Amino acid sequence: EIVLTQSPDFQSVTPKEKITITCRASQSVGSSLHWYQQKPGQSPKLLIKYGSQSFSGVPSRFSGSGSGTEFTLTINSLEAEDAATYYCHHSSSLPQTFGQGTKVEIK
Amino acid sequence: QLQLQESGPGLVKPSETLSLTCTVAGGSISSNNYYWGWIRQPPGKGLEWIASIYHSGTTYYNPSLKSRVTISVDTSKNQFSLKLTSVAAADTAMYYCAKKVERPAGFDYWGQGILVTVSS
Repeated sequence: EIVLTQSPDFQSVTPKEKITITCRASQSVGSSLHWYQQKPGQSPKLLIKYGSQSFSGVPSRFSGSGSGTEFTLTINSLEAEDAATYYCHHSSSLPQTFGQGTKVEIK
Repeated sequence: QLQLQESGPGLVKPSETLSLTCTVAGGSISSNNYYWGWIRQPPGKGLEWIASIYHSGTTYYNPSLKSRVTISVDTSKNQFSLKLTSVAAADTAMYYCAKKVERPAGFDYWGQGILVTVSS
């Protein structure tokens, strides 16, 4: 099983700041790494697919990069509505797994 | 716009079988390349992939749950289902159904989720 480890676990930021969340895989997942945003009481929403491709309708301040074992999600100019937990997810092999999540709080 | 809706009992007794159905609206469950899956999330915790299925019936299971899980599809009803046997308190979770456009893709559409509690 491929283990995905996100860092940090928690980040408190002010609006308009830029944040970067890292997802490290225990072995290569190629480009089959995806990012989700989950707000309290809601289901996860796909932000970035295949490491760097933005999903339809996602604001341009969200971007992703990386391949192999290290990936990053960047949120430029953070807005209050971006307060959420962010998860990475790989689908390169079975079982698919998710990172433990990174909670982003807006100060 | 594709919509997914989970349904089933919200309370299941220990050792019994959890049965959930996901109804797909606004699109065909038989669409080429679409994969359908179940993901769960215990209260306050992270996400766990349970199983996926292609409309042809090809199935994929998480090895940690494989001995207890069955995923199936009913194309005539545009639904797919999950059965989890011998449930215990650790199976208490929000259960989500979701879709992906191809096997290695991310899940791009999710249901709202259904909370299933295992308790006597």
